[in-house]
Amino acid sequence: GDSVTQMEGPVTLSEEAFLTINCTYTATGYPSLFWYVQYPGEGLQLLLKATKADDKGSNKGFEATYRKETTSFHLEKGSVQVSDSAVYFCALSQGTSYGKLTFGQGTILTVHP
Amino acid sequence: GAVVSQHPSRVICKSGTSVKIECRSLDFQATTMFWYRQFPKQSLMLMATSNEGSKATYEQGVEKDKFLINHASLTLSTLTVTSAHPEDSSFYICSARDLTGGAQGQPQHFGDGTRLSIL
Repeated sequence: GDSVTQMEGPVTLSEEAFLTINCTYTATGYPSLFWYVQYPGEGLQLLLKATKADDKGSNKGFEATYRKETTSFHLEKGSVQVSDSAVYFCALSQGTSYGKLTFGQGTILTVHP
Repeated sequence: GAVVSQHPSRVICKSGTSVKIECRSLDFQATTMFWYRQFPKQSLMLMATSNEGSKATYEQGVEKDKFLINHASLTLSTLTVTSAHPEDSSFYICSARDLTGGAQGQPQHFGDGTRLSIL
């Protein structure tokens, strides 16, 4: 079945540092890929998405490129802020199954001033 | 943008009580909604897919008689935890998918979750 693997956390960075959170997937066909962010005590918010190979999703300074050859969708940000501290989830969905999401295990990011 | 409202945000109740959680899509129609459970510092576990006007589809290992799902309209799905016990304490999150404009690549929109604590 489909699966998503994220880099182990937690990740701790200083403000303005460069961020990379690795995400790789296993899936049949051509899934859509997503990054969601969860702030403490809240639900998930869509951060960015990509629907086909070589697409780049971007939002709020974050970006990720859909790499079919390496089955990856790594999240990057050039300069993190304290307010970026949250849990980040990589996920995929197929065109069928009502768009059911398969999540990675989540990566906790803490940014210090 | 699309908004999903989940209510209540927090529930504390005694063991044996049944608890109902509502999930509403506020500005779009959702023929399908999803219910997840999240344990502390863990990922989301899909419990069931809620389909408007028909029975929910439960994931393997989820007790359908324990977690009753009703999707009576295109904007409302409810999850009822029946005869809740302390082991049911968790963070429950719903989501809905806006299929306006086609299904491909449409993301799920999540509610803010319900923190359920059973004493």
